[in-house]
Amino acid sequence: EVQLVQSGAEVRKPGESLKISCKDSGYSLTTYWIAWVRQMPGKGLEWMGIIYPDDSDARYSPSFQGQVIMSADKSISTAYLQWSSLKASDTAMYYCARVAVYFGAFDIWGQGTMVTVSS
Amino acid sequence: EIVLTQSPGTLSLSPGERATLSCRASQSVSSSSLAWYQQKPGQAPRLLIYGASSRATGIPDRFSGSGSGTDFTLTISRLEPEDFAVYYCQQYGSSRTFGQGTKVEIK
Repeated sequence: EVQLVQSGAEVRKPGESLKISCKDSGYSLTTYWIAWVRQMPGKGLEWMGIIYPDDSDARYSPSFQGQVIMSADKSISTAYLQWSSLKASDTAMYYCARVAVYFGAFDIWGQGTMVTVSS
Repeated sequence: EIVLTQSPGTLSLSPGERATLSCRASQSVSSSSLAWYQQKPGQAPRLLIYGASSRATGIPDRFSGSGSGTDFTLTISRLEPEDFAVYYCQQYGSSRTFGQGTKVEIK
């Protein structure tokens, strides 16, 4: 069964750094683009960007450019999302999702990683 | 950036009724690159429709999508209890954006 497995929930203080992960299970993550999506508490879905793990080509939504960094380690089929200095407004659920090759929508989703930033 | 506006914000219906959800784009969506997702509380979204009208794998045929250009519709022919959820449209023809969602609730 094809799955994306994300790292567990995180609690951090403002100003701290964080890196969360998304690992494929059952297919080669390097052959698909991986998207990151934010969902703030009680709110809708926001597309953050996509990365191609095979060569780490990354495209960011203008709203998230400079706010986060997407990366990947193709040797372990894992994509990452990281922050260098968290803010309280980064509190949200973060999903990774696979971009389907033939039609561009997000066909497989990870279970989500809840990030809480609080002093 | 293409802005997607979904209406209504909330749809109150009974099981067995027909649900019609709208998604309007601020500019034409190329190649009907429009998807619909369902999200239930505490769960990740699930792809229902891609290419404006193609059902994703395992999606029941009571879900159908239509439209082109700037106007798209998701129709649920007869609501089942498990269909009460939030639905999002997404365009992937020019970068990617999501609509703000429509909640389908039990009347």
